[in-house]
Amino acid sequence: QKEVEQNSGPLSVPEGAIASLNCTYSDRVSQSFFWYRQYSGKSPELIMSIYSNGDKEDGRFTAQLNKASQYVSLLIRDSQPSDSATYLCAVKGDFGNEKLTFGTGTRLTIIP
Amino acid sequence: DAGVIQSPRHEVTEMGQEVTLRCKPISGHDYLFWYRQTMMRGLELLIYFNNNVPIDDSGMPEDRFSAKMPNASFSTLKIQPSEPRDSAVYFCASSHRSAGELFFGEGSRLTVL
Repeated sequence: QKEVEQNSGPLSVPEGAIASLNCTYSDRVSQSFFWYRQYSGKSPELIMSIYSNGDKEDGRFTAQLNKASQYVSLLIRDSQPSDSATYLCAVKGDFGNEKLTFGTGTRLTIIP
Repeated sequence: DAGVIQSPRHEVTEMGQEVTLRCKPISGHDYLFWYRQTMMRGLELLIYFNNNVPIDDSGMPEDRFSAKMPNASFSTLKIQPSEPRDSAVYFCASSHRSAGELFFGEGSRLTVL
């Protein structure tokens, strides 16, 4: 079982709709969770972080965390063509363990 | 402010040759990470440093790989001898305190023929 799992996609969403990206992780002691966006040929960039159960909103982005289910999601509202990218879920371990483990990413395409 | 700077951006070499990748982290960041990205395996952590000291090198594939951080502003990843399966994009990233908020360089694309 992979430590961090994502559906590789591709996920196609019409412009203006909500894109929903999902991620599960295997290590129950994981404390911190992140979503990175990577455009084709570019490096990953951080877009959201979440540390406690529930929802965290930042503009059009909402991260959701459920530690009991070991599940993290990212919602993108009012999807724009510029949101087309690969979204990487990343998980950090217990306190003192600075290792950040990435999923293989979900490729998202917003259809105009 | 300058971001993480990596060099070279592209490297094409022949099997058996030595490859050295270089990284300058963001000033003031105390963590430095080397990742490798391939289509098949995604982003894999090779090694990370805290205050120039290697903390976890469990991701380094084998003895052909080595990494150093002689000071706070410079790190190298060396592959000797290189093999075709080492072909990948190698990213350097740095962070301050919280290791989850990484700032990545533009990457070094390595092709080993």
